[in-house]
Formats: sequence, C-alpha cells, structure tokens
Amino acid sequence: QSVLTQPPSVSGAPGQRVTISCTGSSSNIGAGYDVHWYQQLPGTAPKLLIYGYNNRPSGVPDRCSGSKSGTSASLAITGLQAEDEADYYCQSYDSSLSGYVFGTGTKVTFL
Amino acid sequence: QVHLVQSGAEVKKPEASVKVSCKASGYTFTGYYMHWVRQAPGQGLEWMGCINPNSGDTNYAQKFQGRVTMTRDTSISTAYMELSRLRSDDTAVYYCARGGYSSISPIHNWFDPWGQGTLVTVSS
Repeated sequence: QSVLTQPPSVSGAPGQRVTISCTGSSSNIGAGYDVHWYQQLPGTAPKLLIYGYNNRPSGVPDRCSGSKSGTSASLAITGLQAEDEADYYCQSYDSSLSGYVFGTGTKVTFL
Repeated sequence: QVHLVQSGAEVKKPEASVKVSCKASGYTFTGYYMHWVRQAPGQGLEWMGCINPNSGDTNYAQKFQGRVTMTRDTSISTAYMELSRLRSDDTAVYYCARGGYSSISPIHNWFDPWGQGTLVTVSS
C-alpha cells in the first residue's frame, strides 16, 4: 500500500513537457526527507533518474528535473521522446513507518 | 562498474520458503547498504527491508516482520533475502538495490543500481 500518490498516467506529444506529481504527507516528503525518482522500462529493473531533490546520475539527460514543495514533489520531462515512454516512481523515507515508501507509479505515453 | 547479479527464477509451493541471492561487484560491498524491493505482476514497487553489510544490522518493513530474513556473506560480496511462509500474493519479481554509505544514517538513501530481478512464483 503506497503512501505516496502519483497520477496513474500522463501523456504528451513528442517534444512537449510533461510533469508527474508525487503527493505525500508530513511524515515523509513534508518532514524533509529526500525524494528520488526512478524510470522503469517494460520488463526491466527500475533505473535511478533523479536523486536528492534535483540531482541526475551520469547518463541521465538534463531534460529531466525534480522539484519539491511542502508535502509534494514533481518530476518534469521536457522535449518528450519515444525513449521516455515508461513507468515512473517517486520514493522517499517515512518516519511513521520507519521505512522507505514508493509512489503509486505513473505511466508516460505519447498522445 | 557497479553491478548486482541475482539468482534465478524460483517456483515454490504455499507455506514454503525462498532464498534469493544478490552478488555485488565493482565496489566495496561492506561500504553500502543493500535494500530489497519487490514488484507483484502489474503492480508498483514495495520496499521490503535493508541490511548494513558491514555490521549485519537489518531494518525490515513492518509488513514483512517475522517472515523475512536478510543476511550477507562478506567473503563473497553477496546479500541474501529469505522469505518464509509463502502465499500466492508473494508472487513477484524481487530486486536487490544498493543504497547509501553504510557508515551514515540511511534515511536519505536512494537505490542505485538495481539487480536484474528474480521472479518468485508461488503456486500449488
């Protein structure tokens, strides 16, 4: 049971900008714990996309960026490309659960 | 190059146990937490717990307390996750994923990289 809520799907035309929200609470995002984002292509393991607010591992394009405000966080992908069609998950730590939590996941598709 | 390689797929009967291994290479195994995450078919990601390979200390998600055991063998840079009293809803792909430095609090951990996943099927 996820405690971080994401929209089930978002879509955009090639080249457009899409954003994915991640809504938490005062025991996770609102408590100041970092939010991280993962991309999961079909049939593969998740891959780290953004860590620690808005840092990208090497190899991740700067078309991806993260932000956080209050009890929510967002992932933005600009210049949408075919390779961006995937599932995306946010992740943080929850003090009430004393463990890590993931978002419900968002599927990004082309219009 | 940091790499995690997991053991192969398993088919188990209800009430049995399964033990999945995760062999690390390309970094100092004892220097980073190891986490376990699972994903049921068509579902999202679920954190199960983690182990500090240096100390052996573990932290399990409340949902799995009493059923999961995470261990490690530092001589072969391998972490293990054993889940007991399997049920049909434990059918999932189980991933290991490297966390942050084992010398500091893991609360801000992200998971990178991930193993390739191990499919565990529970069926009578």
